[in-house]
Amino acid sequence: GESVGLHLPTLSVQEGDNSIINCAYSNSASDYFIWYKQESGKGPQFIIDIRSNMDKRQGQRVTVLLNKTVKHLSLQIAATQPGDSAVYFCAENKNGGSQGNLIFGKGTKLSVKP
Amino acid sequence: DSGVTQTPKHLITATGQRVTLRCSPRSGDLSVYWYQQSLDQGLQFLIQYYNGEERAKGNILERFSAQQFPDLHSELNLSSLELGDSALYFCASSVVGGGYGYTFGSGTRLTVV
Repeated sequence: GESVGLHLPTLSVQEGDNSIINCAYSNSASDYFIWYKQESGKGPQFIIDIRSNMDKRQGQRVTVLLNKTVKHLSLQIAATQPGDSAVYFCAENKNGGSQGNLIFGKGTKLSVKP
Repeated sequence: DSGVTQTPKHLITATGQRVTLRCSPRSGDLSVYWYQQSLDQGLQFLIQYYNGEERAKGNILERFSAQQFPDLHSELNLSSLELGDSALYFCASSVVGGGYGYTFGSGTRLTVV
């Protein structure tokens, strides 16, 4: 099976609240992790990435946290907006380096209530 | 527009038939990846090409094949199609090989009837 999985298949939040989407991985050799957002009928869109030598990385309204001890990845979205409604996928570069390729989790559907 | 172009956007075909999906990577990207996304499923890695050569294989069926041409565009060939092959097929590209940030196309939706 996939080495990347998600704890919750769906997440519903109120507009303006913060969202946290979680992801577990099992391959300690993975050296790169990435979050994608997929809106209905569209291809996955890059949100933010992080390398294994970092614990935290921030973007615009998004933060990715990496806990290598427990092999856990999370995406935090601040002040969630209706436009954030989508399916979010985490992915890992399973074998690391130039020989790896991205392996995706099954996704979490985020619904934002106005 | 991500810069990765996939054609056609939609394809409806009968069981047993063969189809070809096409992908043009972003300008300057040497690596192309194919993924399959079935209903309620995540993105399943199929195959990767780097500068014309096969680099990695994932869960690709023997009925499926792909190639990358000298101009770096790629084609995914699906033959002896079954109902279960109905899915979204995505192409992604990156500058280098390896599992680093990909840019995805908008996909081809294949419906097998």
